[in-house]
Amino acid sequence: KNEVEQSPQNLTAQEGEFITINCSYSVGISALHWLQQHPGGGIVSLFMLSSGKKKHGRLIATINIQEKHSSLHITASHPRDSAVYICAVRSGGNQFYFGTGTSLTVIP
Amino acid sequence: EAGVTQSPTHLIKTRGQQVTLRCSPISGHTSVYWYQQALGLGLQFLLWYDEGEERNRGNFPPRFSGRQFPNYSSELNVNALELEDSALYLCASLSRSWATIYFGEGSWLTVV
Repeated sequence: KNEVEQSPQNLTAQEGEFITINCSYSVGISALHWLQQHPGGGIVSLFMLSSGKKKHGRLIATINIQEKHSSLHITASHPRDSAVYICAVRSGGNQFYFGTGTSLTVIP
Repeated sequence: EAGVTQSPTHLIKTRGQQVTLRCSPISGHTSVYWYQQALGLGLQFLLWYDEGEERNRGNFPPRFSGRQFPNYSSELNVNALELEDSALYLCASLSRSWATIYFGEGSWLTVV
């Protein structure tokens, strides 16, 4: 069993839809990161969360430490949001565990 | 501030050969992580270096090895290449505050 589970694996949405990607983890963590990987391989960090909620533009990330669960929301989705979104958790010893990613396609 | 840089960006090797991939973390970052991402698959942890020491390694055979230099740059070496080693190899460094992980653009390795 993976330490980090994401759902859904694949997601297709119409432009403008509200999107939610879920992440559950089974290890103790210091922080949770949401990453975005575009075709071609480059990965960028979107958020780092240790509690509560963060918002950046149309992206919102929440975490529930007690339930070991995080969600990434995209409001008013746009085709340029099409990418693979990866949940990663960092343990107390700075070891990272990665989900397998959610492939998002937003159709115009 | 320069990001994490990796070289080479693309390379083709023959089965049985050896390859060395290089990574320079962001200035001041002491932790370097190496990951393998085969086509269509998730990130698989290879190696983690911090302050010049190997802190942990993933479930890969010994022919995958590496080191970290005093300037915190790092090398990943793969000996006796096999076809299934074809993948994107990503290097990442962790900020001193541990707040953000930064990835390089990766090295695409094709083994033929």
